[in-house]
Amino acid sequence: GEDVEQSLFLSVREGDSSVINCTYTDSSSTYLYWYKQEPGAGLQLLTYIFSNMDMKQDQRLTVLLNKKDKHLSLRIADTQTGDSAIYFCAERENTPLVFGKGTRLSVIA
Amino acid sequence: ETGVTQTPRHLVMGMTNKKSLKCEQHLGHNAMYWYKQSAKKPLELMFVYNFKEQTENNSVPSRFSPECPNSSHLFLHLHTLQPEDSALYLCASSQDQGTGRTGEAFFGQGTRLTVV
Repeated sequence: GEDVEQSLFLSVREGDSSVINCTYTDSSSTYLYWYKQEPGAGLQLLTYIFSNMDMKQDQRLTVLLNKKDKHLSLRIADTQTGDSAIYFCAERENTPLVFGKGTRLSVIA
Repeated sequence: ETGVTQTPRHLVMGMTNKKSLKCEQHLGHNAMYWYKQSAKKPLELMFVYNFKEQTENNSVPSRFSPECPNSSHLFLHLHTLQPEDSALYLCASSQDQGTGRTGEAFFGQGTRLTVV
């Protein structure tokens, strides 16, 4: 079946770049997504990338997609304490989206 | 504000109580979902409704009973829950028909449920 894998924890210093990685198994994925969840809140869509793209940039966020290796990454430039949250990777070929277990990003001041 | 509203935000209930969680989406989407999020399993898909029809039930115990009266509203009826059912219950919606749609899910803020 479809599966999405992420490392569970990442710790970075304020001002550094963060890179959160994700691998998926479904080669038919049409869209891939990154969501952010702050404590006590729901998931908020950060960005998405269509499967025929290999990069998408949106302000401090850069998404890289290696479709051959089924690898997705999210780079956050100049990481701030407000970026501390859980980040979920998700992929979609059909309904519903398949989510990874989430990466908890801790930003050290 | 994502356009998906869940009520209540917090709920404490006894194991013999009956309560309901409500979700409403104002986005014109045709699919709605219930997820459970706990420390043991970060995001578990429970139920999927597409055009008001239940299309997926991921082996959820019968003490959880979903209801989707129309494409904008989704309920989760709870009865005789166990303490291990304490979790954050998230509702989401998406638009899944037609080409060119990005199909992202929009989530509500969740209901934090505590079963005592």
